[in-house]
Amino acid sequence: GQSLEQPSEVTAVEGAIVQINCTYQTSGFYGLSWYQQHDGGAPTFLSYNGLDGLEETGRFSSFLSRSDSYGYLLLQELQMKDSASYFCAVRDAAYGQNFVFGPGTRLSVLP
Amino acid sequence: GAGVSQTPSNKVTEKGKYVELRCDPISGHTALYWYRQSLGQGPEFLIYFQGTGAADDSGLPNDRFFAVRPEGSVSTLKIQRTERGDSAVYLCASSYQAGDYEQYFGPGTRLTVT
Repeated sequence: GQSLEQPSEVTAVEGAIVQINCTYQTSGFYGLSWYQQHDGGAPTFLSYNGLDGLEETGRFSSFLSRSDSYGYLLLQELQMKDSASYFCAVRDAAYGQNFVFGPGTRLSVLP
Repeated sequence: GAGVSQTPSNKVTEKGKYVELRCDPISGHTALYWYRQSLGQGPEFLIYFQGTGAADDSGLPNDRFFAVRPEGSVSTLKIQRTERGDSAVYLCASSYQAGDYEQYFGPGTRLTVT
């Protein structure tokens, strides 16, 4: 089967840098995605890693190490609006084209 | 263009009743996914369509749940004999094609079974 692990909560102050980790177990890994979800809102796509290394998109970066079955989302220059839940998701070849989401990490940004 | 829309936004029903939840994906997106999300948890895969056919329904919890997408666009998730444990937010997402890593989610339907 598949499983993903993320920290349940992270707290940081405005302007800081925070890293949200994701470890996964899959039968046939295709890639790792990250989504942001504000309370009461829809998940929105942030980034994707199909290969090892760092992907940067503005203040957000995502990293993947396939050999370690590990990835992280890095948020820089934190803003209050970044307070949200963050989910990693994997596409597992053993399960076709569907995606499995992690339990989510709730980020609280303090002034 | 317009994003993914879902109706109704909220649905309260009595235990044992039948409900239908509707999803209107982004125009041109061939893949459509249904997820269920409980409070404090990640979206849980239910079923996905590629075009009109259900390509993978392995996430449907039991035979009370059924989904259709007859014309390859709008999809309806149908739940028979609802139970209190069905209470959750039901999310729909679409993508250009199945397996695309970027999915576009709708705002969800919050289902409450009393």
